[in-house]
Amino acid sequence: DTEVTQTPKHLVMGMTNKKSLKCEQHMGHRAMYWYKQKAKKPPELMFVYSYEKLSINESVPSRFSPECPNSSLLNLHLHALQPEDSALYLCASSQDRPLEQYFGPGTRLTVT
Amino acid sequence: GQNIDQPTEMTATEGAIVQINCTYQTSGFNGLFWYQQHAGEAPTFLSYNVLDGLEEKGRFSSFLSRSKGYSYLLLKELQMKDSASYLCAVFRGGSILTGGGNKLTFGTGTQLKVEL
Repeated sequence: DTEVTQTPKHLVMGMTNKKSLKCEQHMGHRAMYWYKQKAKKPPELMFVYSYEKLSINESVPSRFSPECPNSSLLNLHLHALQPEDSALYLCASSQDRPLEQYFGPGTRLTVT
Repeated sequence: GQNIDQPTEMTATEGAIVQINCTYQTSGFNGLFWYQQHAGEAPTFLSYNVLDGLEEKGRFSSFLSRSKGYSYLLLKELQMKDSASYLCAVFRGGSILTGGGNKLTFGTGTQLKVEL
């Protein structure tokens, strides 16, 4: 199984809503990542989890809250988002060797 | 700071060879990755270089010169399905075991259009 899955595929939420994005992998990878990608822009790293511990937070606003309940799952909790947070949110996973990151299909988020 | 540059767009003919360049100036460097991304889809891994030189993988090859801060992706025997965005990404980080994780910083991406 070389797949990273993400749910939901699409999400529309209001600025006062609370929602969560989910990511799952069963490749035994011990690092998982959240990226944000705006249209016609490259992915931008948000968070890195290594062995279920948060190792990198790229100065992301607190309205985004990551969680790694176990080695296969990664969540991104969303609260009080702004319209400019509308983007494609990509999850990825990797191991030490080889180094490449495997990306999920993403969640297309629209904040109204 | 990070500065990773690629041409914005390129056009090539089916069956031809195209070279996509990437130049970088980054604080910290452990390797360079190339990803392909079709519109509306996730990036997919193509290749990576840690040491100087050429890495070949089927129709795709990638070259790295660390002293020049330069890499290129070479695509041979172009097919229509190769029309996509190609992203170079600098890898900085340590071992997952030490809590670093692989930190990728992506370039601006090159939109390749393959024509008949």
